[in-house]
Amino acid sequence: QQPVQSPQAVILREGEDAVINCSSSKALYSVHWYRQKHGEAPVFLMILLKGGEQKGHDKISASFNEKKQQSSLYLTASQLSYSGTYFCGTGHFKAAGNKLTFGGGTRVLVKP
Amino acid sequence: DVKVTQSSRYLVKRTGEKVFLECVQDMDHENMFWYRQDPGLGLRLIYFSYDVKMKEKGDIPEGYSVSREKKERFSLILESASTNQTSMYLCASQLMGGGNGYTFGSGTRLTVV
Repeated sequence: QQPVQSPQAVILREGEDAVINCSSSKALYSVHWYRQKHGEAPVFLMILLKGGEQKGHDKISASFNEKKQQSSLYLTASQLSYSGTYFCGTGHFKAAGNKLTFGGGTRVLVKP
Repeated sequence: DVKVTQSSRYLVKRTGEKVFLECVQDMDHENMFWYRQDPGLGLRLIYFSYDVKMKEKGDIPEGYSVSREKKERFSLILESASTNQTSMYLCASQLMGGGNGYTFGSGTRLTVV
């Protein structure tokens, strides 16, 4: 079952903050976050593992709540380059072929 | 610069044709994946492979098969293309281990007419 992302879309002004949530109905081992710009391949942002800590990448950070089976991505002081569609991918097994199930995506538009 | 290369960016095929989508990675990654991407549905896993000649079904394998004869190459085969297989197809590779992200190719937009 696909994880559920919310919101489906968000419009920001440069410098504003946003939170994207990713919820799973199954126990999580890992959560990946990717950003895809129009016409391009998804680009890996970060991975959170069960028992791990909050991660950060420039002004983009993420948390992982094992009990709630969800992860949140935080866009802080957003920049124009943050525009794109963000996908979470959830992994449920610590196995060699750790396949991911992706959410439907959250479209982010940052305006000047 | 590490790469996942998909052989075609755009492809138009006729209903009933056998279609081959090729993916090559130069990173010596063990794991490779095929996803299809449709608006509003995100990325859905078709097949994946964690070793040469090994393959496992993903969430939507019907109408597809795969081949991995060499570590660097993972092919997706549409046995008899249908219009509902019109989609963007993304290949990805991953270094084995739970802490590594995927590297995606640029995708192949397939239209079946």
